[in-house]
Amino acid sequence: AQRVTQPEKLLSVFKGAPVELKCNYSYSGSPELFWYVQYSRQRLQLLLRHISRESIKGFTADLNKGETSFHLKKPFAQEEDSAMYYCALKWGNYGQNFVFGPGTRLSVLP
Amino acid sequence: GAGVSQSPRYKVAKRGQDVALRCDPISGHVSLFWYQQALGQGPEFLTYFQNEAQLDKSGLPSDRFFAERPEGSVSTLKIQRTQQEDSAVYLCASSFYRTGKNSPLHFGNGTRLTVT
Repeated sequence: AQRVTQPEKLLSVFKGAPVELKCNYSYSGSPELFWYVQYSRQRLQLLLRHISRESIKGFTADLNKGETSFHLKKPFAQEEDSAMYYCALKWGNYGQNFVFGPGTRLSVLP
Repeated sequence: GAGVSQSPRYKVAKRGQDVALRCDPISGHVSLFWYQQALGQGPEFLTYFQNEAQLDKSGLPSDRFFAERPEGSVSTLKIQRTQQEDSAVYLCASSFYRTGKNSPLHFGNGTRLTVT
């Protein structure tokens, strides 16, 4: 069955330090992966998607099919990066369903 | 409107009451999803609409849960005879495309349901 795991519930780093939020998935098909972010008192919103190979707010994520991972990285964390981060896998008969991981709360300390 | 709108933002229901949660997606978005998010968990899929057709309802936890989107725009999630385990945030999301690569989800703020 399709599954997304995020092993860390909470990750605390100091401002300026590198950060890596881990995501692993299980899916027999061709995966399409996303990172969503939820800042305090805001709605869940798309951060980035693997097919775009983009960098958003300094974050990047590379799909590693061999390790079935899609870790989110940023070389220098900022306090405004503090939020909940959810990794999501898109699948389904209609290519429409999303399975979300449990989320990692990132806390960037001053 | 500019984004997905959900109402009410908060709902307190006594056990056994029926509730109705409304979602107004982004205009023109074909796909609409309902998710349930328990405290400390990620969103869990409930059901999916493509226009007015409910193509997947495999995530609805029981027959007390019912969703509709009669005109292919606004959707309502109804929960009958609410139970305490129904307490959660109910998220609605929409996307423009039916399928395909570049169709991320746009989420509403959610409705926080508390069953007492």
